[in-house]
Amino acid sequence: GAGVSQSPRYKVAKRGQDVALRCDPISGHVSLFWYQQALGQGPEFLTYFQNEAQLDKSGLPSDRFFAERPEGSVSTLKIQRTQQEDSAVYLCASSPSGRLNTGELFFGEGSRLTVL
Amino acid sequence: DAKTTQPNSMESNEEEPVHLPCNHSTISGTDYIHWYRQLPSQGPEYVIHGLTSNVNNRMASLAIAEDRKSSTLILHRATLRDAAVYYCILYGSARQLTFGSGTQLTVLP
Repeated sequence: GAGVSQSPRYKVAKRGQDVALRCDPISGHVSLFWYQQALGQGPEFLTYFQNEAQLDKSGLPSDRFFAERPEGSVSTLKIQRTQQEDSAVYLCASSPSGRLNTGELFFGEGSRLTVL
Repeated sequence: DAKTTQPNSMESNEEEPVHLPCNHSTISGTDYIHWYRQLPSQGPEYVIHGLTSNVNNRMASLAIAEDRKSSTLILHRATLRDAAVYYCILYGSARQLTFGSGTQLTVLP
């Protein structure tokens, strides 16, 4: 499709397992964002890429979280040694430009992670 | 970026207009006002944005106060599919959008 695609849509992990969440942004979109959304709360910023460069990772909650976008298109969010507090929906969004003043952010449907 | 204040929840009747308020008293001159909505089990969806002038698009209208310290998202004719959480966000120097907790809109048939 033409939208932002995320996989898997649902992931159940045992505490301590590593997980990888994939995001396929809209083709040609320069900017890519990852957000974390806990139940009943608004999305919280994790990290931002402009093409392949990770320009802001200030929202990553710990060094167990790692994101990459090696060729400036697909991105992967990796969580090592998952904890129960990592249970959330992880949202990916992309934008055609580096600024949103004249554009909008397109979100995927998210990957719901449940850590048991 | 400056913060926004929205009511936690609002109700509207189907086919009636809905006015969703947002206060942003500390807005700076270069902050844009963005509105997104999030339907159940979906990612947020762009609705509208503006800087100083009122804006209209196919989804909604955005009315911005003259002093820019508040704005109102207007859905002209609410439908059941408009039931969602609506986020008012100020976008300025940061690259990312910072979401608050939004307003949960319930549309009654």
